[in-house]
Amino acid sequence: SYELTQPPSVSVSPGQTASINCSGDALSELYGYWYQQKPGQAPLVVIYKDTERPSGIPERFSGSSSGTTVTLTISGVQAGDEADYYCQSADRNGTFVVFGGGTKLTVL
Amino acid sequence: QLHLHESGPGPVKPSETLSLTCTVSGDSISSSSYYWGWIRQPPGKGLGWIGSIYYNGSSYYYPSLKSRVTISVDTSKNQFSLSLTSVTAADTAVYYCVRHVRELDYFDFWGQGTLVTVSS
Repeated sequence: SYELTQPPSVSVSPGQTASINCSGDALSELYGYWYQQKPGQAPLVVIYKDTERPSGIPERFSGSSSGTTVTLTISGVQAGDEADYYCQSADRNGTFVVFGGGTKLTVL
Repeated sequence: QLHLHESGPGPVKPSETLSLTCTVSGDSISSSSYYWGWIRQPPGKGLGWIGSIYYNGSSYYYPSLKSRVTISVDTSKNQFSLSLTSVTAADTAVYYCVRHVRELDYFDFWGQGTLVTVSS
């Protein structure tokens, strides 16, 4: 079955830039999405259509896409950005939705 | 403001059927732009899409769950429901109902989630 692969953990110091990659064969043809999930809360979409930021999401959050990889970048990381981040897309035929395994962002 | 709220009867015994309902407020479930779906998250693990439904009853499911899952919709109550049969401990999870932007295949609004425990 189709899978999205992302690193289990990323660590950065406050004020630095965090980048989280997500790879999947169909990402060269389909959009990728990113969700932020803080403990005890429902996920929140922070990037949609590879690069778009929903209203209310800080400009520090950005997305990019290259080939079969999408990337979430958080500039000037703050303590409040510590969370799990999930990428999401679909299979080429649009028959099911898939999530990456999640990346735990730790702010040192 | 859109609000989704999951509700269900509580713990479920192994081999029984898990049933949850999502009540939507602030938007009509009959909106032509959206599907409505279910996503689950086992404790300490990642997210897994279960399936989604359109207001006319058209639905689709994650392949490995398809044989055990049914999602239904009640437009008169602005609700949609999840039924998962023959549950095991592996089905213990927080279950979220979501609004599914089908055109782009992502989820723009989520309920708060409800923990369903499968235990004898």
